[in-house]
Amino acid sequence: DTEVTQTPKHLVMGMTNKKSLKCEQHMGHRAMYWYKQKAKKPPELMFVYSYEKLSINESVPSRFSPECPNSSLLNLHLHALQPEDSALYLCASSQESAVNEQFFGPGTRLTVL
Amino acid sequence: AQSVAQPEDQVNVAEGNPLTVKCTYSVSGNPYLFWYVQYPNRGLQFLLKYITGDNLVKGSYGFEAEFNKSQTSFHLKKPSALVSDSALYFCAVRDINTGRRALTFGSGTRLQVQP
Repeated sequence: DTEVTQTPKHLVMGMTNKKSLKCEQHMGHRAMYWYKQKAKKPPELMFVYSYEKLSINESVPSRFSPECPNSSLLNLHLHALQPEDSALYLCASSQESAVNEQFFGPGTRLTVL
Repeated sequence: AQSVAQPEDQVNVAEGNPLTVKCTYSVSGNPYLFWYVQYPNRGLQFLLKYITGDNLVKGSYGFEAEFNKSQTSFHLKKPSALVSDSALYFCAVRDINTGRRALTFGSGTRLQVQP
């Protein structure tokens, strides 16, 4: 299985809502990532988990909260988002070594009203 | 700091003609270089990578890329373009000397292949 799955595919939420994005991989990868991608822009790294430990936080606002329950699952909890947070949220995974490519999921299209 | 530049926002090519999508990089040490493709409303798909060894790297769907250290470039090429190659292409770099796992992406180049 060389697939990264993400749910939901689309999400519309109000600024007072709490929601979660989910990501799963069964490739045995020990590094997982969350990226944010605005239209016609490159992905921007939000979080990296390595062996289920958060290793990089790129100064992302606290209204985004990552969680890695185990090596196959990655969640992104959302609370009190702003309209400018509307974007495509991509999950990726890779082997630990720096030479390895990342495998991306199809993304969750998030709209904040 | 590591960075990549994709100087062209869009590349137009006729089907059957060769295509080139340009990428230049800047890192403090030896780079790991990657090309990804993104179709509309989809995630990124890995095409190929350069780690070490031969400067010409072959990847998926008939794509290849040439690593040029003196010009700090890693241009993506294909001998004969297909309409289905139309998509958004990203070059990315990882600087092995910093130990960072994060990829730094270029701004992207939209490839339009005309029938």
